Amino acid sequence: KAGVTQTPRYLIKTRGQQVTLSCSPISGHRSVSWYQQTPGQGLQFLFEYFSETQRNKGNFPGRFSGRQFSNSRSEMNVSTLELGDSALYLCASSFGTGINEQFFGPGTRLTVL
Amino acid sequence: DAKTTQPPSMDCAEGRAANLPCNHSTISGNEYVYWYRQIHSQGPQYIIHGLKNNETNEMASLIITEDRKSSTLILPHATLRDTAVYYCIVRAIIQGAQKLVFGQGTRLTINP
Repeated sequence: KAGVTQTPRYLIKTRGQQVTLSCSPISGHRSVSWYQQTPGQGLQFLFEYFSETQRNKGNFPGRFSGRQFSNSRSEMNVSTLELGDSALYLCASSFGTGINEQFFGPGTRLTVL
Repeated sequence: DAKTTQPPSMDCAEGRAANLPCNHSTISGNEYVYWYRQIHSQGPQYIIHGLKNNETNEMASLIITEDRKSSTLILPHATLRDTAVYYCIVRAIIQGAQKLVFGQGTRLTINP
């Protein structure tokens, strides 16, 4: 069974631009969560989607948004990029109900110049 | 979700058992203990989880104290590939909620 895939793996943008990151969950998984990892703040939860609905959201500004499609694939978007948005963005998928471990993808490394 | 406390770093010799402690003194009755690890530049990897009984799988064992205020992850025969940051997380299993709250973790170094 293929794991969680994220594209692109690396991305360089400049301040003020916007970016869209993509995540394909493990086949059959319906929950997709997004996390941001920086050296200063560690791993922080962004949001979670299940059946195309956002059901959990972390403490991030509105510039961070996401969506999920009917095939469970998910995208997250960051608008008006800031230098502090440079981070590793991780996507995790799980079956979605009750006790389920999350399976993480390799992440997208975003650098904002 | 309850807060966890882990030592920032630990060393262990290759082939020996690595015992990683975690304190979660404010854990409530419906919160599970999860362990993940993150090898450099990769996404976190699930290891094991438990509620109150000790658990074992092919990767590790999880020992939870009777009062559930602390736990220990045991890697029985550590190898160099076990060098990673290990995260202890406690979370309530609310129907459908999949949010994980990561602390700073323990950086485990396995020495040859």
